[in-house]
Amino acid sequence: LAKTTQPISMDSYEGQEVNITCSHNNIATNDYITWYQQFPSQGPRFIIQGYKTKVTNEVASLFIPADRKSSTLSLPRVSLSDTAVYYCLVGRSSGSARQLTFGSGTQLTVLP
Amino acid sequence: GAVVSQHPSWVICKSGTSVKIECRSLDFQATTMFWYRQFPKQSLMLMATSNEGSKATYEQGVEKDKFLINHASLTLSTLTVTSAHPEDSSFYICSAREGGVSQGSPLHFGNGTRLTVT
Repeated sequence: LAKTTQPISMDSYEGQEVNITCSHNNIATNDYITWYQQFPSQGPRFIIQGYKTKVTNEVASLFIPADRKSSTLSLPRVSLSDTAVYYCLVGRSSGSARQLTFGSGTQLTVLP
Repeated sequence: GAVVSQHPSWVICKSGTSVKIECRSLDFQATTMFWYRQFPKQSLMLMATSNEGSKATYEQGVEKDKFLINHASLTLSTLTVTSAHPEDSSFYICSAREGGVSQGSPLHFGNGTRLTVT
């Protein structure tokens, strides 16, 4: 199982770009990297998924270096409503969820 | 996008009673669904894998007789907490993944059920 390591918490201010890095040194060849956002008392919400290089969607970008041992979630111009816990998951993108282990996540607090 | 609906969103029950939580995939079929539990300020812990038409697979330390899982159709899985006790109070979340997608797809989560046992 690919273990992930993220900072426990981060603070930012409104309008800034936030980068959250996740380490996953033992990522397997078939593993994808997926990021989720969770607000209190809600289920995790899918943000972005990638395998290598860079992926961008309407809410975030995901940067993955060539060795794939880490990844960085980039949130452009955060707002107060982006305050949440962000989880990085590494595992196959099909089949069982048993190898998709939730780490401790990163509590992002956006300040006015 | 894929939507997973969970019901109820919260429930309060008395100790010793049973509570059923439903998880539905609204716009896709899910042969497999997953149930998680989350305690305050902690991460999600996988409890079991629900398999349509067959027995669920439970993670180590999860009592299968206490947490009954039924996956009777391709869009519905239920988790029943039997003889609930205060220590079962937690946030229960289900998830599912669209099947038949050639490049795989991420897990999609329900909005969770807050169970409080008094």
